[in-house]
Amino acid sequence: EADIYQTPRYLVIGTGKKITLECSQTMGHDKMYWYQQDPGMELHLIHYSYGVNSTEKGDLSSESTVSRIRTEHFPLTLESARPSHTSQYLCASSESLPGSTDTQYFGPGTRLTVL
Amino acid sequence: AQTVTQSQPEMSVQEAETVTLSCTYDTSESDYYLFWYKQPPSRQMILVIRQEAYKQQNATENRFSVNFQKAAKSFSLKISDSQLGDAAMYFCAYLLLQGGSEKLVFGKGTKLTVNP
Repeated sequence: EADIYQTPRYLVIGTGKKITLECSQTMGHDKMYWYQQDPGMELHLIHYSYGVNSTEKGDLSSESTVSRIRTEHFPLTLESARPSHTSQYLCASSESLPGSTDTQYFGPGTRLTVL
Repeated sequence: AQTVTQSQPEMSVQEAETVTLSCTYDTSESDYYLFWYKQPPSRQMILVIRQEAYKQQNATENRFSVNFQKAAKSFSLKISDSQLGDAAMYFCAYLLLQGGSEKLVFGKGTKLTVNP
């Protein structure tokens, strides 16, 4: 398995709370991604980063925000959680070196439930 | 827009038998990559196999192999000698590389059950 970690693994919180989902990788990958996955469904890209201080929104609109201050960390923040944010959030990373495989490696995910 | 279609929401196979999972995709590009990912219940998504579109030879990885038909835009996964540990959701994914940008588009997945 790849060296990419997410915390917490499970989170149950009340509406209106601010939360930050952590993602870190020890592979030195420049590219990192956040996906949202509802139960039994496909993954949708919500944010990505190609390096420090670089962040972009993905194909699925999300009220979350991300930051990339360090190569190894790519946290996702929800300022005010709502029940519609209930989902699984998967973090991934990949290399950007010439000749690299462009394979994305995934973390274990954070299953978020907003009451 | 690139799309990935997995027409089999669920499949089942007997242990030690062979099963094929279907995947088709839609693209106008000639340079891209295709992947099969496995997501066991409550566990991490892991890469099963990948295929570069410019390679005609089908990728293989131990008991896993693909049938890549570029003209038909088809990318099926064959699992030989199925094992109980193969039970999982399998996602087909398409990666487009274009001008420094890359995005991975997933299909809806196929849930594979392996019967003892």
